[in-house]
Amino acid sequence: EAGVVQSPRYKIIEKKQPVAFWCNPISGHNTLYWYRQNLGQGPELLIRYENEEAVDDSQLPKDRFSAERLKGVDSTLKIQPAELGDSAVYLCASSLDRVAGANEQFFGPGTRLTVL
Amino acid sequence: GNSVTQMEGPVTLSEEAFLTINCTYTATGYPSLFWYVQYPGEGLQLLLKATKADDKGSNKGFEATYRKETTSFHLEKGSVQVSDSAVYFCALYSGGGADGLTFGKGTHLIIQP
Repeated sequence: EAGVVQSPRYKIIEKKQPVAFWCNPISGHNTLYWYRQNLGQGPELLIRYENEEAVDDSQLPKDRFSAERLKGVDSTLKIQPAELGDSAVYLCASSLDRVAGANEQFFGPGTRLTVL
Repeated sequence: GNSVTQMEGPVTLSEEAFLTINCTYTATGYPSLFWYVQYPGEGLQLLLKATKADDKGSNKGFEATYRKETTSFHLEKGSVQVSDSAVYFCALYSGGGADGLTFGKGTHLIIQP
């Protein structure tokens, strides 16, 4: 079974440019997460989707970040315009559902973004 | 709010040494606890988990016991191998209003032959 797929794996852009990341979760997983991992830190949640609904986006900087999950499968995370501080690894994860007390999440390889 | 504190690295050991990576947490309610591992160039992989007090998670020779009284979930392995070199993350999930995993900063483990 294929895991979580993300693309691109690496992206280098200049500040003020837009950038988008794509994620395809594990088939049948209803819940999708976007995390940001800064260098030397653990991942931090940006947004969570239940099917196509964003149910927790409190940590998403809404002035420049946006996300969508059309049809409740693939998801796209966008930054416009990018700033130097956005350089990080952006991780996508999925889980079967929000099983109480468990919530095992499967992670993709991430997209490493460098903003110059 | 929720938080996870784990020992800072890098931790450097010789092959076949005993490993302990400390992890303590602060959380509301009764969280589930996880150890994730990130091998060089790869994504995060679940190593083991425990969902209630006194549970022991184990996988690939690694173990961790959910200690509610000390709010800890220390990772141990009796004899490490070079292939265990990676970054290890302790994490918790408490459900309710906190919908994602809360991670520690990670511990870089280096095993020398």
